[in-house]
Amino acid sequence: DGGITQSPKYLFRKEGQNVTLSCEQNLNHDAMYWYRQDPGQGLRLIYYSQIVNDFQKGDIAEGYSVSREKKESFPLTVTSAQKNPTAFYLCASRDRNEQFFGPGTRLTVL
Amino acid sequence: QQQVKQSPQSLIVQKGGISIINCAYENTAFDYFPWYQQFPGKGPALLIAIRPDVSEKKEGRFTISFNKSAKQFSLHIMDSQPGDSATYFCAASTGVTGGGNKLTFGTGTQLKVEL
Repeated sequence: DGGITQSPKYLFRKEGQNVTLSCEQNLNHDAMYWYRQDPGQGLRLIYYSQIVNDFQKGDIAEGYSVSREKKESFPLTVTSAQKNPTAFYLCASRDRNEQFFGPGTRLTVL
Repeated sequence: QQQVKQSPQSLIVQKGGISIINCAYENTAFDYFPWYQQFPGKGPALLIAIRPDVSEKKEGRFTISFNKSAKQFSLHIMDSQPGDSATYFCAASTGVTGGGNKLTFGTGTQLKVEL
């Protein structure tokens, strides 16, 4: 059963804590992406990686960090420096031009 | 900087009617224009996509119309059904020419199809 999995589906954290969101894909795609979705603002690119051990900042990278040690995995850490972390986070991987999205993680910071 | 402007923000259509969503872009380097459909609490799924070398692409009830000179493209949903009720996003990227195939998204249109 191929696809992209994100875990957990819902995540609650206290203000000031770092939190890591998981993204795994078994589609054998080289490129992976992290987006943030807020009501009325569409999807905004946080970070992307075109190949293992390489990643680039997107439009709103401040307060986030990523790693890409394995082709299948692209975890996103939301740090305490992110001023407004409550949002719906979407991971995607790409085959040629098409991006395939995971089911998302809804992060709520209390 | 909003490089892809989408309208309307919300749309109500009667069952069997035509839903039309419009997008305009600024970056002439964009060369790939997909539309995504998203249901509540789910990730977006690719619906249909077009390249600027064609003016129209049709897949079933979904059609993209593309106007390169006006830098506009639109999604038409024919014979709209209640199951089409979702949020639709247009997007654009410089996929062919490189740059990481980063997608720039519009702000979304919430479509509701009423019986």
